[in-house]
Amino acid sequence: SQTIHQWPATLVQPVGSPLSLECTVEGTSNPNLYWYRQAAGRGLQLLFYSVGIGQISSEVPQNLSASRPQDRQFILSSKKLLLSDSGFYLCAWRTSGANVLTFGAGSRLTVL
Amino acid sequence: SQQGEEDPQALSIQEGENATMNCSYKTSINNLQWYRQNSGRGLVHLILIRSNEREKHSGRLRVTLDTSKKSSSLLITASRAADTASYFCATDLSGTYKYIFGTGTRLKVLA
Repeated sequence: SQTIHQWPATLVQPVGSPLSLECTVEGTSNPNLYWYRQAAGRGLQLLFYSVGIGQISSEVPQNLSASRPQDRQFILSSKKLLLSDSGFYLCAWRTSGANVLTFGAGSRLTVL
Repeated sequence: SQQGEEDPQALSIQEGENATMNCSYKTSINNLQWYRQNSGRGLVHLILIRSNEREKHSGRLRVTLDTSKKSSSLLITASRAADTASYFCATDLSGTYKYIFGTGTRLKVLA
């Protein structure tokens, strides 16, 4: 069966520290992968999406970067976190030809 | 911003009543989807309506789409306390792989 794993679930980091959030998908190949951020009580902001290994499209110029080192692995990173990076980060995937996004459980980041 | 708008931002109703939430978007789309999010969780897909469809039903859900007005509505009939959640519309932009979400409606169903 197809599943998506996202970790860590919760993270508290000081300003200026690095970040790495990881997302992996099982049970499918060549998925389209997405990173969204959700501020408290707000909608979802598309950060990055990827249609293949090493192919990353950035939607919002900011302090974050994404990488896709393997077909079913999507990583969100930062070298130096800002207070404004706090939020709920959601990874999602879809198979080519399908229209539905399947989301992970999310990673809640608090930058202090 | 490409983000869609939803209204109302928040809605509180009694169990058994119907809940209607609306979504407006800005660009040409292939389809429009509705998702549900329980507090602090990931989103779950509810229903998809294609750009050439005007209405679609799934259980207690009814979705309409008006591409001339770039708007959609989600109706939940006979609401239950378990329907309490945030609801988001999402559009996939024609010619892209991007999915843009609305600002969401927070629904509270009182038992």
